[in-house]
Amino acid sequence: KNEVEQSPQNLTAQEGEFITINCSYSVGISALHWLQQHPGGGIVSLFMLSSGKKKHGRLIATINIQEKHSSLHITASHPRDSAVYICAVQGAQKLVFGQGTRLTINP
Amino acid sequence: GAVVSQHPSWVICKSGTSVKIECRSLDFQATTMFWYRQFPKQSLMLMATSNEGSKATYEQGVEKDKFLINHASLTLSTLTVTSAHPEDSSFYICSAPGVSGNTIYFGEGSWLTVV
Repeated sequence: KNEVEQSPQNLTAQEGEFITINCSYSVGISALHWLQQHPGGGIVSLFMLSSGKKKHGRLIATINIQEKHSSLHITASHPRDSAVYICAVQGAQKLVFGQGTRLTINP
Repeated sequence: GAVVSQHPSWVICKSGTSVKIECRSLDFQATTMFWYRQFPKQSLMLMATSNEGSKATYEQGVEKDKFLINHASLTLSTLTVTSAHPEDSSFYICSAPGVSGNTIYFGEGSWLTVV
């Protein structure tokens, strides 16, 4: 079993829909990252969480440390949100990555 | 703009040759950088941790003599793929933690094709 599990692996939705991507982990962490990877390969850090909830624009990330679970929400989704979203947990220094969720938003 | 710059973005090389990929932190010092490899539709895999002024720490299964890492300054780490083979064809990407420790920055990534 992977240390970081994401679901779903693939998600297709219509523009405007509310999107939720889930991440569960089985190891102790100091922080959890949500990353966005575009088709060209570039990766952008969206959030770094150690507790609670963070919001940036239409993106919301939550984490429940006790349940070892995090969610990434996208409100009013748009085709430009189409990308691979990766959950990564941080130990002392290293990141352990989930398999990623491929999100496609259709107009 | 990018805070971590990686070069080249694309490189094609012949089998048996060596390829160098650079990762630079812009406007901040990175004593530690990380090198990852990603095969198509797979997760990022940490290859090694690059430490300024000392030897890199390689993950299990990564050949240190094949993937040479040099971190000679506080803003530059390089990954050299030596004696490249077609199976080394992959996406390589570096990252550096931000100074405050509250974020992490990734380079643009490098697509390597060995023919």
